Amino acid sequence: DIVMSQSPDSLAVSLGERVTINCKSSQSVLSTSDNKNYFAWYQQRPGQPPKLLVYWASTRDSGVPARFSGSGSGTDFTLTISSLQAEDVAVYYCQQYYISPYTFGQGTKLDI
Amino acid sequence: QVQLQESGPGLVRPSETLSLTCAVSGTSVTSYYWSWMRQSPGKGLEWVGYIHHTGSTDHNPSLKNRVTISMDRIQNHFSLKLTAVIDADTAVYYCTRGHWALDCWSQGTLVTVSS
Repeated sequence: DIVMSQSPDSLAVSLGERVTINCKSSQSVLSTSDNKNYFAWYQQRPGQPPKLLVYWASTRDSGVPARFSGSGSGTDFTLTISSLQAEDVAVYYCQQYYISPYTFGQGTKLDI
Repeated sequence: QVQLQESGPGLVRPSETLSLTCAVSGTSVTSYYWSWMRQSPGKGLEWVGYIHHTGSTDHNPSLKNRVTISMDRIQNHFSLKLTAVIDADTAVYYCTRGHWALDCWSQGTLVTVSS
């Protein structure tokens, strides 16, 4: 199975600050046939199901604020929140869907 | 607007079968792939398996051959059966749209395995 490792496990940031969350996969999730990274980011607020933020590593899902952006390729990926808002307090997960079983990172808890 | 609502027992005895159904509204089950996910404190988010109306299915090998995912086009729902449950199957179970990036999730239902 592909192992997804996120860093840090948790962080506390002030409102308006920039946030960076990292995810590393144990093998590349970049497909050579279509040059796409089979990689996504999710946000899970307390008491809620996960919500898709980014897919194909850098495509924001419909309705996701522009302050969220995804980058990276191959084995190393980053989720950036350009200016933290109060509603961004949540746990963030990365996921690979390149090879079954599709696997998730352990989560990064973001607090203010 | 697509909505997913799962239903099923919240308590299952060890060695018995966990059965959940996900009712889909706002779209047809024949239009997308559909998946089951689960989340427990010990194992985090775990992909259980998916189904497509063409009959294509896949499931997490960690669950061995205990998983069956099926679909009812008429009732517009899909279902999960997990046999021979153990304590480690205690989790919040979600039904979702998609099989790669999952863009719509149910609220989740806690299933506890206990005698």
